[in-house]
Amino acid sequence: DTAVSQTPKYLVTQMGNDKSIKCEQNLGHDTMYWYKQDSKKFLKIMFSYNNKELIINETVPNRFSPKSPDKAHLNLHINSLELGDSAVYFCASSQEMGVSPLHFGNGTRLTVT
Amino acid sequence: AQSVAQPEDQVNVAEGNPLTVKCTYSVSGNPYLFWYVQYPNRGLQFLLKYITGDNLVKGSYGFEAEFNKSQTSFHLKKPSALVSDSALYFCAVLDSGTYKYIFGTGTRLKVLA
Repeated sequence: DTAVSQTPKYLVTQMGNDKSIKCEQNLGHDTMYWYKQDSKKFLKIMFSYNNKELIINETVPNRFSPKSPDKAHLNLHINSLELGDSAVYFCASSQEMGVSPLHFGNGTRLTVT
Repeated sequence: AQSVAQPEDQVNVAEGNPLTVKCTYSVSGNPYLFWYVQYPNRGLQFLLKYITGDNLVKGSYGFEAEFNKSQTSFHLKKPSALVSDSALYFCAVLDSGTYKYIFGTGTRLKVLA
């Protein structure tokens, strides 16, 4: 029973395409996040949702749009993919915003060619 | 602005020896500090956190961390390293104003048999 699951695990696509990554958590957590990890393993927050409400919206291009249909799901849609979007994208959840630890999915490795 | 620094890109230690992975922080206000571990092709896993209280925090897999306010450090330690501890370790601080986690650049721990 995976606590935070994201699909697909690997995503290879061409520049200009539109793609989505899905995330689901079965922990009953209120807060979900998207993080981007670059090739140097640097990890940066992109978005966070608390009870389906957007709380954190970092300075990412408008081509990235999160969507939270319910508390257990947070999807990430990316339009007009660029080479620089290649990275590993991690979904995470926490019981609440604040000092609750993050629970991460296993990541989606996006390669844009 | 809140920040954490991990001064070592890599730490090598012999199996059975004690290990230390260093982290220093810079925060305004109370520090909320975390350690996470990342195994290859996996998401980050929570090890331990310091919010308040005892300076020595015990966590998962036999790890502990010592909070030192005067040195603004939160070093991760383990008395006896295992080969299976080899992984990438991240220190993080929670910005309590924005609810953003700020991660360090990571330290690769290699435990040699």
